Amino acid sequence: DVKVTQSSRYLVKRTGEKVFLECVQDMDHENMFWYRQDPGLGLRLIYFSYDVKMKEKGDIPEGYSVSREKKERFSLILESASTNQTSMYLCASGLTYGYTFGSGTRLTVV
Amino acid sequence: GQQLNQSPQSMFIQEGEDVSMNCTSSSIFNTWLWYKQDPGEGPVLLIALYKAGELTSNGRLTAQFGITRKDSFLNISASIPSDVGIYFCAGRTSNTGKLIFGQGTTLQVKP
Repeated sequence: DVKVTQSSRYLVKRTGEKVFLECVQDMDHENMFWYRQDPGLGLRLIYFSYDVKMKEKGDIPEGYSVSREKKERFSLILESASTNQTSMYLCASGLTYGYTFGSGTRLTVV
Repeated sequence: GQQLNQSPQSMFIQEGEDVSMNCTSSSIFNTWLWYKQDPGEGPVLLIALYKAGELTSNGRLTAQFGITRKDSFLNISASIPSDVGIYFCAGRTSNTGKLIFGQGTTLQVKP
């Protein structure tokens, strides 16, 4: 089975901190994605990547950046964390048939 | 961006009841997927549909790809407490396009 691993289940950060969320997949997938999940809003796409060093903005990229230096790793960066970035962050990787998600990182910015 | 309208937003049912939920779009999709998210976990793929009119089952779950290619339905028969969670539909308009997700249906089952 494809495994998508997110480095932290829970994080608490201070306003203004630079935050790194890490995601690793073990199935050699080219496509990787970062979503944000908030109650009533479903899954909103932040950034995605179709290959190493390639990235494209999703629907809500403001305040975020990403890095894909190796095929298996896709990092989400909050340049200066703000309280409105408190949320559940989900990483996914996948092919045409569908995506496999990690367990999520619940980030709280105080 | 494109949107999927998923309904209902939430359901509170008695154990043993059947459940129906659906997704609609103004765009034509060539793939429909249904995911379930258990509390505190990431979504897990339940069923994938690739052809208009296709009806696919996975245990007590049955999903259909609408004939118009603009909608999909998920039915759960004889619900049990472990069916609790958030169900998401997702669709794709082309083979290389990214998935678009619905807002989710939160299901609660009373024993």
